[in-house]
Amino acid sequence: DAGVIQSPRHEVTEMGQEVTLRCKPISGHNSLFWYRQTMMRGLELLIYFNNNVPIDDSGMPEDRFSAKMPNASFSTLKIQPSEPRDSAVYFCASSLRLSTGELFFGEGSRLTVL
Amino acid sequence: EDQVTQSPEALRLQEGESSSLNCSYTVSGLRGLFWYRQDPGKGPEFLFTLYSAGEEKEKERLKATLTKKESFLHITAPKPEDSATYLCAVPDSWGKLQFGAGTQVVVTP
Repeated sequence: DAGVIQSPRHEVTEMGQEVTLRCKPISGHNSLFWYRQTMMRGLELLIYFNNNVPIDDSGMPEDRFSAKMPNASFSTLKIQPSEPRDSAVYFCASSLRLSTGELFFGEGSRLTVL
Repeated sequence: EDQVTQSPEALRLQEGESSSLNCSYTVSGLRGLFWYRQDPGKGPEFLFTLYSAGEEKEKERLKATLTKKESFLHITAPKPEDSATYLCAVPDSWGKLQFGAGTQVVVTP
């Protein structure tokens, strides 16, 4: 299996622009997570899907952030409008059995907002 | 409020110099504690799951142990390839993982 695939790997954009990050989870995994990682705040959970349904989006910073999972093999995280403080590495992760604690992370999308 | 605290923040070791990393947690009803390794520019990679006090898991030069209040990750005779950031995490009541800030380990030849 190719693992969790994220795109783009790097994105540089200007403040106010829309950013869309994409994720393809591992086939057969029923849980999907979006995390954000910064030096100051570490790894923060933004949103969690189970069977394509958003279960908990309490970590989404504000209304500028939205996430969708239209099917079991694709998810997007959108930021509109983007701000410099959104600069971070965004990780997508998927899991087959949450109780094991085994999440499979993608390589991340590094976002820089100028 | 559930908390996960890791120490030290950074650790510099000579090759072969064993050491331990600490992860302390305050959660009600522990449902497991998980260790991950993260290499620069990569996503975290799962290492171990520990479920109950007294449990131990081993993988190559790494051994994770769990007590009622904390977990230790012991690195025995480390090699430069063990250099990474080591993260621990605990699940909340919904199963969502809450990660600690990590310990950055550098092993020099």
